[in-house]
Amino acid sequence: ETGVTQSPTHLIKTRGQQVTLRCSSQSGHNTVSWYQQALGQGPQFIFQYYREEENGRGNFPPRFSGLQFPNYSSELNVNALELDDSALYLCASSLGTSGSSYEQYFGPGTRLTVT
Amino acid sequence: SQKIEQNSEALNIQEGKTATLTCNYTNYSPAYLQWYRQDPGRGPVFLLLIRENEKEKRKERLKVTFDTTLKQSLFHITASQPADSATYLCALDRGHMDSNYQLIWGAGTKLIIKP
Repeated sequence: ETGVTQSPTHLIKTRGQQVTLRCSSQSGHNTVSWYQQALGQGPQFIFQYYREEENGRGNFPPRFSGLQFPNYSSELNVNALELDDSALYLCASSLGTSGSSYEQYFGPGTRLTVT
Repeated sequence: SQKIEQNSEALNIQEGKTATLTCNYTNYSPAYLQWYRQDPGRGPVFLLLIRENEKEKRKERLKVTFDTTLKQSLFHITASQPADSATYLCALDRGHMDSNYQLIWGAGTKLIIKP
């Protein structure tokens, strides 16, 4: 088990609503990444935060936004939910420095269902 | 844009044999390539990271190769065991050299080790 926790475990929302997912990083990690994983697919990179700044972003619309806090925990916010947003949302923490790549430690994920 | 191809069909291997999984990519050569294991309903677990200037990396029964000419990485599990059954994902990035960092993932290959 990694030290990364996510909440909630499962969530059911209605189309058009907003949702906030939370992630607590592993102790000592300064970087957090968020992914969306549809069934049978690999994770799709949403964005990454390094020391509270957005460090990179995948091909997701602006209604996907995030925050990283001074304690390196993080939130993923999704506005105007669509049916296609139904997926497993994964948070991963790592100890990153500029110019390098490090292994990611994943949480168990939040299963979001949009009806 | 960068694309990763992993064998979408499940790989069935007899216990004790060597399992070999393939990860092919297009476009630019990544600076780093990572392999993860994912069990159903869980987040991916980091296995190995290999850099572009490394040809091979080993960890216990695992071996990863990285051929930037062929744009391919091979992942080997020797003396395979039923407990090795899982989906294996490869992911690549260029490190934080870009202003827009991204970690790109394949869809994964399901490995089934038969007793």
